[in-house]
Amino acid sequence: GESVGLHLPTLSVQEGDNSIINCAYSNSASDYFIWYKQESGKGPQFIIDIRSNMDKRQGQRVTVLLNKTVKHLSLQIAATQPGDSAVYFCTYNQGGKLIFGQGTELSVKP
Amino acid sequence: DAGVIQSPRHEVTEMGQEVTLRCKPISGHNSLFWYRQTMMRGLELLIYFNNNVPIDDSGMPEDRFSAKMPNASFSTLKIQPSEPRDSAVYFCASSVTASNQPQHFGDGTRLSIL
Repeated sequence: GESVGLHLPTLSVQEGDNSIINCAYSNSASDYFIWYKQESGKGPQFIIDIRSNMDKRQGQRVTVLLNKTVKHLSLQIAATQPGDSAVYFCTYNQGGKLIFGQGTELSVKP
Repeated sequence: DAGVIQSPRHEVTEMGQEVTLRCKPISGHNSLFWYRQTMMRGLELLIYFNNNVPIDDSGMPEDRFSAKMPNASFSTLKIQPSEPRDSAVYFCASSVTASNQPQHFGDGTRLSIL
């Protein structure tokens, strides 16, 4: 079946360290992936996306890596800041639908 | 630029009452999505529209739920009659097209049915 799973429900990092959030997906036909950040009381906020013809994409302080062989996606956040504390969702888009995983809660310690 | 705008932000009402949630998508976006978020079930897609036409409503839980999009700048999600189990945060999102484009979310309506 279609699913997007996250390896760790919670992640705690020290301010200034790099964060890595992992995601496994089961549908090999998935061709578009998005990472969202959701802060308390707000809607999911688009961070970065990647298409299946790429294996890496970089944004401002964030990098997404896609390994289609093992159906794995990761989000790397450089120099993590307190403002990065949130729940991060890995999603894939298929047939107009976004399939959301359970999310990983990132906590940044000062 | 204005993002997706939802109203009200909070709604508290008694069971049996009609509830109407409103959404204004980003101008120029042709696809609109309604989601529900709960602790137990996470984020669920309820229905989505392309060019104001409902495409997939398979996520709508029951006939008590209905959604409309009378024009490109407005959509409603209605629950009638409401039940306590409908309590959740309801999000609206829009995108340029339905497929392979980022969806941009509003800040949601927190609905509590007593």
